[in-house]
Amino acid sequence: DADVTQTPRNRITKTGKRIMLECSQTKGHDRMYWYRQDPGLGLRLIYYSFDVKDINKGEISDGYSVSRQAQAKFSLSLESAIPNQTALYFCATSDLGRGRETQYFGPGTRLLVL
Amino acid sequence: DAKTTQPPSMDCAEGRAANLPCNHSTISGNEYVYWYRQIHSQGPQYIIHGLKNNETNEMASLIITEDRKSSTLILPHATLRDTAVYYCIVRVDGKGGSEKLVFGKGTKLTVNP
Repeated sequence: DADVTQTPRNRITKTGKRIMLECSQTKGHDRMYWYRQDPGLGLRLIYYSFDVKDINKGEISDGYSVSRQAQAKFSLSLESAIPNQTALYFCATSDLGRGRETQYFGPGTRLLVL
Repeated sequence: DAKTTQPPSMDCAEGRAANLPCNHSTISGNEYVYWYRQIHSQGPQYIIHGLKNNETNEMASLIITEDRKSSTLILPHATLRDTAVYYCIVRVDGKGGSEKLVFGKGTKLTVNP
């Protein structure tokens, strides 16, 4: 969905390096999410934010931090990257539509930690 | 853990209806059933959701049994572009009132020419 963009799309880094993945959205949604996907494990929630002043840990937040710079921007940082953080990372936004919440995902960032 | 059970894979002929089943026997009364799909490492895409009534949109139909313990996603005329992993999700209320999606392993649908 072009309304949710992620940069970079691909990244190779070394163990111990700090890196930042960025997410921007033009959908005007308050809620934003970061997920990671590993082969055979589906998507797992890292952090989520319901508005600019709200940050919440997901099920696998250790080793990650986030920053909600504005309604439209939500960044994920790996303070000291390690090889088992190699994964596909997705950002998502959501609104409260008819009935319940629907999430819209970005194209993903493929991260390789050597 | 995901609260749903889906077959790991299914095949369908192009132009035919694809019927993807999902069991959610422990669903509670206020939980919705959502369907998303993911086409080869792209971001998951919302398809449809429902509570108790059958639903239809431009992409698919959702049939929910009367006891709400199972549902079926129907793609009426499958095309090759419908080849994807389909996730059936029951919304889970997390800590602080958050509503996070819990993705299981889904069903890999292959549409054959």
